[in-house]
Order: sequence, then C-alpha cells, then structure tokens
Amino acid sequence: TQLLEQSPQFLSIQEGENLTVYCNSSSVFSSLQWYRQEPGEGPVLLVTVVTGGEVKKLKRLTFQFGDARKDSSLHITAAQPGDTGLYLCAAYMIKAAGNKLTFGGGTRVLVKP
Amino acid sequence: NAGVTQTPKFRILKIGQSMTLQCTQDMNHNYMYWYRQDPGMGLKLIYYSVGAGITDKGEVPNGYNVSRSTTEDFPLRLELAAPSQTSVYFCASSGLAVSSYEQYFGPGTRLTVT
Repeated sequence: TQLLEQSPQFLSIQEGENLTVYCNSSSVFSSLQWYRQEPGEGPVLLVTVVTGGEVKKLKRLTFQFGDARKDSSLHITAAQPGDTGLYLCAAYMIKAAGNKLTFGGGTRVLVKP
Repeated sequence: NAGVTQTPKFRILKIGQSMTLQCTQDMNHNYMYWYRQDPGMGLKLIYYSVGAGITDKGEVPNGYNVSRSTTEDFPLRLELAAPSQTSVYFCASSGLAVSSYEQYFGPGTRLTVT
C-alpha cells in the first residue's frame, strides 16, 4: 500500500480542457511538493506547500494543500500540449530523518492538440 | 553550474555482473539520494546520505551499496545484478535550509539486466 495515493493514474484530455490531479494520505505531512517529469528526464519541482489550506498559483496551475495537511490537489486550467508529463506529489512526513521525501505513484497527463 | 550529473545514461548488464552508477553535484548540498523508478511508477528511495561519510538505507536497499567520501559524489554500486533491478535510477540532492528542501534531480541512468 502506497503511503501517498495519487489519482487518477492516467488522464488524457483535449487542449483547452481543465484537469485536476489528487494526492491523498492517511498521514499528516510537514509539507508537500509537486514535481513534473518529462520523458527521459528527472523530476523538476513545481511548488512546495507548507500551511494547511494554502493555495498557490503558478500561471495556469493551482495547487491546494488540505486543511488537515493530509491531501493536496493540482488543477490545470485550459491545458496545453506542453503540460503533458508525469505529475508526482511528494511529501515530507513529520519527523522524517534525512529530509526524505515520500513520492506518490504519479499521474500521467496527456494533452492532445 | 551543472547541477546533478549522472553517468552512464544507459547500460545493459548481464545477470550476475556488477557496476557503479556515478552521481556528482556541484551545489554544495549536504543531502543526496538515490531513487529507482519502474515504468509508469513513482520513485522509491534506495539509499540516502546526510553528509560526507554518512549513509543510510531507504525503502528498497537490498542489492545495492553506496558510499559518500566527498560532499560532491554519491556513487551507487550494484553487486550481482538481477532482472528485478531493471529500472531507471535517479540521483538527487538538496540543501540544509527548510526553504531549500527542493530536491534537484539528475537526468537518470536507464539500466537493463538480462
């Protein structure tokens, strides 16, 4: 059983549509990060959320951290083909040694032109 | 600033062979990590290091070894390669400050064991 569950696992949409990716856990996080990974490359950080209820915007991407710090969502408005990739949530659990991140299983997003 | 570099990019090993995956970072980061990523999946932590001379096991350490003799380098050693070790391996590093918990990833090494 994954500590961090992402849903859906795969999402295929047309350019211009909206999408939401979810990241859930039964554990409380110290903070949560969202990464995007393109084929053949390593993940790249999009955002870090720290405070329960926090909302951050990055152009067409909106990130929300749940009030209880156990879940998060990523919403993309008017998706473009350049948004295609693997989206990974990753959490710092409270008292995790070595600044270790726990990763979700990822959501593969395909935006068709 | 090259960031995190990994070599080789690709490698095919026969069962039972050994190899070392190299990882170097030039950001003076204390923390370094090795992950593996199986097709369509997230990342699983193999080993990590909080500084030169200090290493510890992650979630899936069996079949691997690491060393950290310098701040910059964190090689991953595979002994007696097995087909189950076919995966993409990523090295990452991060700084000390809470605001710097971003992990910077290398481009990965794609390993096939046949």
